[in-house]
Amino acid sequence: GDSVTQMEGPVTLSEEAFLTINCTYTATGYPSLFWYVQYPGEGLQLLLKATKADDKGSNKGFEATYRKETTSFHLEKGSVQVSDSAVYFCALPAPGNAGNMLTFGGGTRLMVKP
Amino acid sequence: DAGITQSPRYKITETGRQVTLMCHQTWSHSYMFWYRQDLGHGLRLIYYSAAADITDKGEVPDGYVVSRSKTENFPLTLESATRSQTSVYFCASRVAGGWNNEQFFGPGTRLTVL
Repeated sequence: GDSVTQMEGPVTLSEEAFLTINCTYTATGYPSLFWYVQYPGEGLQLLLKATKADDKGSNKGFEATYRKETTSFHLEKGSVQVSDSAVYFCALPAPGNAGNMLTFGGGTRLMVKP
Repeated sequence: DAGITQSPRYKITETGRQVTLMCHQTWSHSYMFWYRQDLGHGLRLIYYSAAADITDKGEVPDGYVVSRSKTENFPLTLESATRSQTSVYFCASRVAGGWNNEQFFGPGTRLTVL
């Protein structure tokens, strides 16, 4: 079935470092892809999304490009801040249910040190 | 307040007791979801609901009961709590249909079963 695989964390970076969190997926067709972020003590919130191949989603300095050739949707940021410390989840619509259900990756914890 | 709320935010109970976690959303979203989040397992879907009086099992439904008599509320009941149900529980909602639409998450309930 459809699935998402993320790199395991935690990822520890110094402030202003470059960030990449890898996400690869297995799916039938070309689903929309999402990145959600969970800040400490909060629920998940949508960070960015891409709806078709070669689309780039972006928000708050984060970017991810939908690459169908490599079935990937890696999350990147050029210069991380302490406030980016959070858990990041890659997700795609589960098959069936007209996109109402999501399949999440296991999450990657990012810790940014000053 | 507009949005999606959960109560209580923290709960400690004992094995064998019944516990109900509340979820309320103000958007009149059709779909609502309950997830649990555990280290090493990411987010797992417990139950979901497509509309009032329509509920269905997710990945890990055993030991849980849900109801949805009103569109805005989706309570989750642990009929006889067990230590393995110690977790953080998230409620989410979304509009029906649309492969690009996001899920909106509540702030979570941290449940400890002693």
